[in-house]
Amino acid sequence: GENVEQHPSTLSVQEGDSAVIKCTYSDSASNYFPWYKQELGKRPQLIIDIRSNVGEKKDQRIAVTLNKTAKHFSLHITETQPEDSAVYFCAASIVYFNKFYFGSGTKLNVKP
Amino acid sequence: NAGVTQTPKFQVLKTGQSMTLQCAQDMNHEYMSWYRQDPGMGLRLIHYSVGAGITDQGEVPNGYNVSRSTTEDFPLRLLSAAPSQTSVYFCASRRTSGGEETQYFGPGTRLLVL
Repeated sequence: GENVEQHPSTLSVQEGDSAVIKCTYSDSASNYFPWYKQELGKRPQLIIDIRSNVGEKKDQRIAVTLNKTAKHFSLHITETQPEDSAVYFCAASIVYFNKFYFGSGTKLNVKP
Repeated sequence: NAGVTQTPKFQVLKTGQSMTLQCAQDMNHEYMSWYRQDPGMGLRLIHYSVGAGITDQGEVPNGYNVSRSTTEDFPLRLLSAAPSQTSVYFCASRRTSGGEETQYFGPGTRLLVL
């Protein structure tokens, strides 16, 4: 099955700085890559996603890039704010097969 | 519109006991799934269903059973609980048609097996 690796496991940045989280995947057939944010004690919530036919997608301060050749994708958060502090998970999926594989998570701490 | 709901929020079991975690959604989603979340390991797929009467195994199905008799409900059964099943369990659902891939998660059930 698919193997998704996520780095770093923890990331500490100063408010206003940028944060980058990286994921690699093993199955070249994967075609959908969502990112989830999970606050302490809460459910994961989708923040942005990208399909394999797109190289980059942006939504305000959040962007995701995908390199299919290298099989990696990254989450970029600009102008970080304390409320961005949470655990972020990447995932990879072959949507047709209905299985989602998650990375191990990155705990982001934004210091005021 | 309640979205995805789960009961109970928290449960303590003794080794060998059985129980059912409930999951329901009111969005008429075809796809429903169960994940477990353990520290440092992200979410791992236990079982999933693409419609009533159809279920399939995910990454870590051993020790768990599921059934899908209606579109709305997707219960997860632990037949004989073991300490290794201590975890937080999330149910999720999504539409499978119309190019919509977003998964919506329930609030989770925290399970402790002694």
